[in-house]
Amino acid sequence: DIQMTQSPASLSASLGETVTIECRASEDIYNGLAWYQQKPGKSPQLLIYNANSLHTGVPSRFSGSGSGTQYSLKINSLQSEDVASYFCQQYYNYPYTFGAGTKLELK
Amino acid sequence: EVQLVESGGGLVQPGRSLKLSCAASGFTFSNYYMAWVRQAPKKGLEWVATISTSGSRTYYPDSVKGRFTISRDNAKSSLYLQMNSLKSEDTATYYCARHSLLLGALFDYWGQGVMVTVSS
Repeated sequence: DIQMTQSPASLSASLGETVTIECRASEDIYNGLAWYQQKPGKSPQLLIYNANSLHTGVPSRFSGSGSGTQYSLKINSLQSEDVASYFCQQYYNYPYTFGAGTKLELK
Repeated sequence: EVQLVESGGGLVQPGRSLKLSCAASGFTFSNYYMAWVRQAPKKGLEWVATISTSGSRTYYPDSVKGRFTISRDNAKSSLYLQMNSLKSEDTATYYCARHSLLLGALFDYWGQGVMVTVSS
């Protein structure tokens, strides 16, 4: 199985700040990576697919990058509505696996 | 508007069975692979099962293979998850999710989730 190691587990940042979340795969996943946002008490929502493509309706302050085994999600100019948990997921191969998540809070 | 509405959750004893349902609307259900993804309390996400458009192909991780069965009824736009021999570690919120048609095997829409608690 492909292991997804996500860091940091938690993050505290100020409004307007830029934050970066990392995800490392145990083998090359050829950009088969998605990022999801999960607000408290809600279901996950797709943000990024194919490592760097923005899903419809997602604000442009979100961006994804990376290749091979290393990927990252960047949020520019942090807004209060960005307080959430963020998960990466590889869909290159079965079984689909997720990172453990990053909980983003406001400082 | 895409809607996925799960039902059938609840409290069940270890070793017993439970069947979850998901009612889909707002899209042509029969065109999409569908899946179940679960999330244990305060934990991360775990993919549980995927089914092809016709239902002829199903996929599971080892953690549930042989105990869980995913199925669908395209005429009713409904997805199901039959869970047998339940264990305490199956306690989680179960989400019905739609696989993307064009973007790869990611999940582009999720239901609100249904809670399953396995406890004596």
